[in-house]
This record gives sequence, structure tokens and C-alpha cells, in this order.
Amino acid sequence: QQQVKQSPQSLIVQKGGIPIINCAYENTAFDYFPWYQQFPGKGPALLIAIRPDVSEKKEGRFTISFNKSAKQFSLHIMDSQPGDSATYFCAASRTISSGSARQLTFGSGTQLTVLP
Amino acid sequence: DTGVSQDPRHKITKRGQNVTFRCDPISEHNRLYWYRQTLGQGPEFLTYFQNEAQLEKSRLLSDRFSAERPKGSFSTLEIQRTEQGDSAMYLCASSLQSGYTFGSGTRLTVV
Repeated sequence: QQQVKQSPQSLIVQKGGIPIINCAYENTAFDYFPWYQQFPGKGPALLIAIRPDVSEKKEGRFTISFNKSAKQFSLHIMDSQPGDSATYFCAASRTISSGSARQLTFGSGTQLTVLP
Repeated sequence: DTGVSQDPRHKITKRGQNVTFRCDPISEHNRLYWYRQTLGQGPEFLTYFQNEAQLEKSRLLSDRFSAERPKGSFSTLEIQRTEQGDSAMYLCASSLQSGYTFGSGTRLTVV
């Protein structure tokens, strides 16, 4: 069962454009929502994250918008650059092991291409 | 190097063989996780260690899979009697609090 749905599967924008990636979740136990960037042959790297008591978070060119009632969140990349070309994963996190750790459930990924 | 280190980076094995992967987490991180990522998908949780104790195991972790973290430092993931469906990237991550640091993974190809 896919607990985090991500769209689109792929996205192509021109340099300077604003790609938007959307995710939706069902499980209300999720309480932390990170976005990861992955380049070929590398592990995912944390970009930005948000907690559900905040509707928007901005770090540099990356912004997360969060709609708790709709159980949806999205990533916007401002002034996109060719170096942003990568696969982006949304994730939802919940505590496990009596709160001693967190388990991530990932979306299926969006392959972003930023054309020069 | 202060990141999460995984070895080997690539492994090609014949079906039915056993393979073992190693993960060296960031030294001060007491939490260690294994995830599996198949082509075109996001990583899926396999198991979690706090220090040397394995506290969580996904149902994805069949009885052919075993993971250890002796002395709470490095960890190993062994797959016995490999099958073609085991072909994937095996990712290790470590954390101190809520934020994960992933390694670059071991890509396993079963032929």
C-alpha cells in the first residue's frame, strides 16, 4: 500500500522556472515531512523539512507548502538551475520503537530536468 | 570523512549465492537504519538499530535477510540464497535525533 503519493513522475522546466512537486498522505501518525534530493549513484540528501503545525517553510530557493486538513504538501523550487536536475522524493515520518527513532515512508520520486 | 560509508558500492552475484554489505555510520550517531530502493521507486524501510539492539524489522525483511550491529558501531546486512528480486540499492542511514544522513548505497545485481 502506497502511503505517500507523489506527482508528477517527471518534470521538465526551463532555467529560472518554478517546478512544483506535490505529495499526499493518509496516515495521521505522520508528524514530520522532509524532502530529499538524490543524484544518480548517490544516497538521498535532506533538502528541507516541515512539521504539520506550520503551513509554509522557506530555505533559500526551496519552499514547502503544507495543508494539514487536506493531508497534502508540496515543494517549490524558485529560480531553478540546471544543477537542480535530480530526483526529488517527498517523505513522511513517524516515530517507532516507543519514540526512540523515526521511520521514513517515501513517495515514488519526481525526476526533475532543468534545461539551460 | 564524516559521512556514512557503505561497502561495496556495487555487487554482482549469481542467484543462490550469499552476499554481505557493510555500513559505517557517522561515529557519534547511535541510530542506524537500512532501506532498500528499487529502480524508479523511493527507499523502503527494512530495519533499525539503536546502538547494538535491532529494535524494528519490516515485513520486507524475509528470513533470508539478517542484519547485525555488533558493539553498536558498524552494521552488516546479509542476504542468503539471493534471488533476482533482491536486485536493488541497499541504503544505510544514521541519525542522532530526527535527521537522517544516508550513505551512497550498495547496488546489488543478482544474475
